Amino acid sequence: GAVVSQHPSWVICKSGTSVKIECRSLDFQATTMFWYRQFPKQSLMLMATSNEGSKATYEQGVEKDKFLINHASLTLSTLTVTSAHPEDSSFYICSARDPRGRGNYGYTFGSGTRLTVV
Amino acid sequence: DAKTTQPPSMDCAEGRAANLPCNHSTISGNEYVYWYRQIHSQGPQYIIHGLKNNETNEMASLIITEDRKSSTLILPHATLRDTAVYYCIVRLSSSNTGKLIFGQGTTLQVKP
Repeated sequence: GAVVSQHPSWVICKSGTSVKIECRSLDFQATTMFWYRQFPKQSLMLMATSNEGSKATYEQGVEKDKFLINHASLTLSTLTVTSAHPEDSSFYICSARDPRGRGNYGYTFGSGTRLTVV
Repeated sequence: DAKTTQPPSMDCAEGRAANLPCNHSTISGNEYVYWYRQIHSQGPQYIIHGLKNNETNEMASLIITEDRKSSTLILPHATLRDTAVYYCIVRLSSSNTGKLIFGQGTTLQVKP
């Protein structure tokens, strides 16, 4: 079935540095990918919709200059957390939609990235 | 997309059926009901989805009321590995770029 690979699975970075998270669709092409953030004991919060070849669409309250999204190819979207601060520490999850519909109508999630900013 | 309401937590004995309810009273005629689950520190996993008719697959059954205002996910023989947060989501399946919006979900604890 559709597979989404997310890398790295965990990362620790110093405050003020930038971190890049990759999301790849391994066996399908994804024109649209989604980025979520999840704080402990909370639900997933949609941050942005990543569109191949165009600008990402950010949800209200999400700073586009802080969370840079690039979707340069049909199989790769990246999320860069710029000038990270401890409050950015969270679990980041990507999702890609297989346009072929598959049995689950396309929404496959990555395994997530645990970001800790120290 | 319509909003869903789920109980925050439920317990179930191992080997018994787990019945997870979801209310979606504002669902429209062309919106589907999706169920996902998230095991601790992993990405969500698709379980099942349906429009009007009851659905069954190798993981679970989905029972949708006739007025479509509520549904129940049934795990027929719960195991300890089914302990997870279960999310009920309503959205337009026909939307090519439609996003999944997660509510708070139900934390299911399967006990030995």
